[in-house]
Amino acid sequence: DTAVSQTPKYLVTQMGNDKSIKCEQNLGHDTMYWYKQDSKKFLKIMFSYNNKELIINETVPNRFSPKSPDKAHLNLHINSLELGDSAVYFCASSQETTGGNEQFFGPGTRLTVL
Amino acid sequence: GQNIDQPTEMTATEGAIVQINCTYQTSGFNGLFWYQQHAGEAPTFLSYNVLDGLEEKGRFSSFLSRSKGYSYLLLKELQMKDSASYLCAVRDLDDYKLSFGAGTTVTVRA
Repeated sequence: DTAVSQTPKYLVTQMGNDKSIKCEQNLGHDTMYWYKQDSKKFLKIMFSYNNKELIINETVPNRFSPKSPDKAHLNLHINSLELGDSAVYFCASSQETTGGNEQFFGPGTRLTVL
Repeated sequence: GQNIDQPTEMTATEGAIVQINCTYQTSGFNGLFWYQQHAGEAPTFLSYNVLDGLEEKGRFSSFLSRSKGYSYLLLKELQMKDSASYLCAVRDLDDYKLSFGAGTTVTVRA
């Protein structure tokens, strides 16, 4: 009974391709996030959705498009992949309105662009 | 925005104590978190401070001084499994955003 799950765990693809990463949480949280962790291990917020509404949209190329079909899912689609997109992408969730606010992270998706 | 500083690396001996400092400069503050991240794994929550003072949780304690923009994470009775990266993160006042420091890699030696 995984709390925050992501698929796939590993993704190897060619430059220029389009790919998607899926995230699901079964914690009943109202807020979900996408983070990027680069080779220097710096964890940086990309997007956040609260009750399916986009609330954080950092300076991210518009090749990245998040989509939240419902509160339990937040997917990330990446168009025209570039070498610099290689990183580990973490999904996270938290309960912001009534909970302790700590964020629970998924296992990560290691994206390698060749 | 947030500017968060923590040391890059620390090394300590099994059974010892290590203190990881974190300083921050923020445009708004709504709490400070510490996360642990083992190599190749996801970050896991350790502690949360929003008021000044010390929060103790078993072998781990976290301290906050809002006036000084300063926090530390104290790890006692170090075990080999504590070898990991420790991430300091500050929460914005206006939204739910967490800004992370670059992390401190702690190596525990026998």
